[in-house]
Amino acid sequence: DVVMTQSPLSLPVTLGQPASISCRSSQSLVYSDGNTYLNWFQQRPGQSPRRLIYKVSNRDSGVPDRFSGSGSGTDFTLEISRVEAEDVGLYYCMQGTHWPRTFGQGTKVEIK
Amino acid sequence: QVQLVESGGNVVQPGRSLRLSCAASGFTFTNYVIHWVRQAPGKGLEWVATVSNDGSKNYYVDSVRGRFTISRDNSKNTVYLQIDSLRIEDTAVYYCVRDWLFDYWGQGTLVTVSS
Repeated sequence: DVVMTQSPLSLPVTLGQPASISCRSSQSLVYSDGNTYLNWFQQRPGQSPRRLIYKVSNRDSGVPDRFSGSGSGTDFTLEISRVEAEDVGLYYCMQGTHWPRTFGQGTKVEIK
Repeated sequence: QVQLVESGGNVVQPGRSLRLSCAASGFTFTNYVIHWVRQAPGKGLEWVATVSNDGSKNYYVDSVRGRFTISRDNSKNTVYLQIDSLRIEDTAVYYCVRDWLFDYWGQGTLVTVSS
């Protein structure tokens, strides 16, 4: 199975400051069609997960542009340019290239 | 708007069975694969199973293969997850999720396995 490793697992951030979450996969996530199926999800307290980013860097409709995704191969990053109070929660990366689909352990973003 | 509504969660004893349902609306159901993803209390997300848009192909995580069966009824816009031989470790919120790219999630249904 492809192991997805996120760091850090806990991320205290000052409001208005940037935040960055790393996600590394144990195998390349480039699929035979040339696409890289790496998604990012946000789970606010008490809510279902919500997709933020798909295929590495494509932001979903309604997602603030302070969220951005980047990376390639086995190394990916989710960045929040200026953290707001509503960004508190858990963030997961997930690979959709290999079976079984696998998620990272989750990164908890909180306000300092 | 896209809606996925799970139901069927309950408190059940180990070894018993349960069937979860996911009712979809707001999109052309037959165009999309549907997944089940679970989250144990205080834990992360785990992909469980996927059914193709026409129901002809199913995929499972190894830990549930042989005990879980995913299926769909395209005439009812509904996906099912039959869970047999329930174990304590199956306790989780079960979410249904749309599309290969996991774009929309339901609100989840809680399965608690306890004697």
